[in-house]
Amino acid sequence: DVKVTQSSRYLVKRTGEKVFLECVQDMDHENMFWYRQDPGLGLRLIYFSYDVKMKEKGDIPEGYSVSREKKERFSLILESASTNQTSMYLCASSLLVMGYDGYTFGSGTRLTVV
Amino acid sequence: KNEVEQSPQNLTAQEGEFITINCSYSVGISALHWLQQHPGGGIVSLFMLSSGKKKHGRLIATINIQEKHSSLHITASHPRDSAVYICAANNNDMRFGAGTRLTVKP
Repeated sequence: DVKVTQSSRYLVKRTGEKVFLECVQDMDHENMFWYRQDPGLGLRLIYFSYDVKMKEKGDIPEGYSVSREKKERFSLILESASTNQTSMYLCASSLLVMGYDGYTFGSGTRLTVV
Repeated sequence: KNEVEQSPQNLTAQEGEFITINCSYSVGISALHWLQQHPGGGIVSLFMLSSGKKKHGRLIATINIQEKHSSLHITASHPRDSAVYICAANNNDMRFGAGTRLTVKP
């Protein structure tokens, strides 16, 4: 089975902290995605990457950056966490571009910024 | 207006009932996905379909391309079916509905 592993299930951080959310997949997928999920809004794309060292902005990139130094790892960085970044963060990967074959999701990281 | 609309937002059923969740989309698609998210957050893929109907156990997904509408049906619902069900339309990128929270009571 394809596994997408997110390093933390729950995180509590203080306003202004730099936060790293890590995502690792083990199926050699080219494409990786970071979403945030908020009640009533569904999943919104923050950033995605279709190759090592490549990144593309999604719908809501403001306040976030990403890093993809290795194919299997895609990191989401909150440069200076704010309370409006309290959310569920989901990482996903796919073999084909833009998920034509479907996504495999991680278990999610519920981030609370206080 | 969202490109992908789901209804209802919340659904409560008694065990054994037949469940229908609806999804309408306004964009052209290459595929429509149904996903299940259990409490705790992890999302699993249930179906990917581009035409017709697919069945897996008690779950059935249908799509009408002309009407831009898909339905997810659950027959003989069970409390373990309680989850959030999400539809997603794929056309160059993935657009997600807001989800339907299903609670099945024993």
